[in-house]
Amino acid sequence: DQQVKQNSPSLSVQEGRISILNCDYTNSMFDYFLWYKKYPAEGPTFLISISSIKDKNEDGRFTVFLNKSAKHLSLHIVPSQPGDSAVYFCAATTNTGGFKTIFGAGTRLFVKA
Amino acid sequence: DAGITQSPRHKVTETGTPVTLRCHQTENHRYMYWYRQDPGHGLRLIHYSYGVKDTDKGEVSDGYSVSRSKTEDFLLTLESATSSQTSVYFCAISGGGEQYFGPGTRLTVT
Repeated sequence: DQQVKQNSPSLSVQEGRISILNCDYTNSMFDYFLWYKKYPAEGPTFLISISSIKDKNEDGRFTVFLNKSAKHLSLHIVPSQPGDSAVYFCAATTNTGGFKTIFGAGTRLFVKA
Repeated sequence: DAGITQSPRHKVTETGTPVTLRCHQTENHRYMYWYRQDPGHGLRLIHYSYGVKDTDKGEVSDGYSVSRSKTEDFLLTLESATSSQTSVYFCAISGGGEQYFGPGTRLTVT
């Protein structure tokens, strides 16, 4: 039973355009959501997060949107750059029980120059 | 970068042998995690720790055990390695919220 789902295994976008990565979750106890970026042969790195009390968080070119009623979040990258090509993981956690964190399967983003 | 290391970085072992992976941090973070990464599955939580000697199971804990006797070290043990445990293993640390990951250990069970 996947509690965090990323239904698109891959996404291809032209440089300069917007990249939109989607994530759905099933557990209503999650109250904190995160996006991580991973390059080959490296560990994931934290990108951006959002608390369940917000519906949007922005950091430079990266914006995360949260729709609690739909249990859906998305990551927008504008403008996309070739260096953004990586695997992006969505994750969800709760601040009880040791911050047990569940990750999605990841979406591989290709940004074409 | 968060001070987190994993050892060994690569290991090949035979089915049925015990294997221990080590995660070491210099950040004094309370929470530590072990994940495995497999194609099509993303990162799956094996075990995690919320303090010295305090651990709990994750999504895929069968066949794995952990120990945390010091704040800085979190050990993952495969009691009797199987081919299905061939994977890349990541350790992560956190003070609550975002996690910082180690470089990973590539384990091959033949």
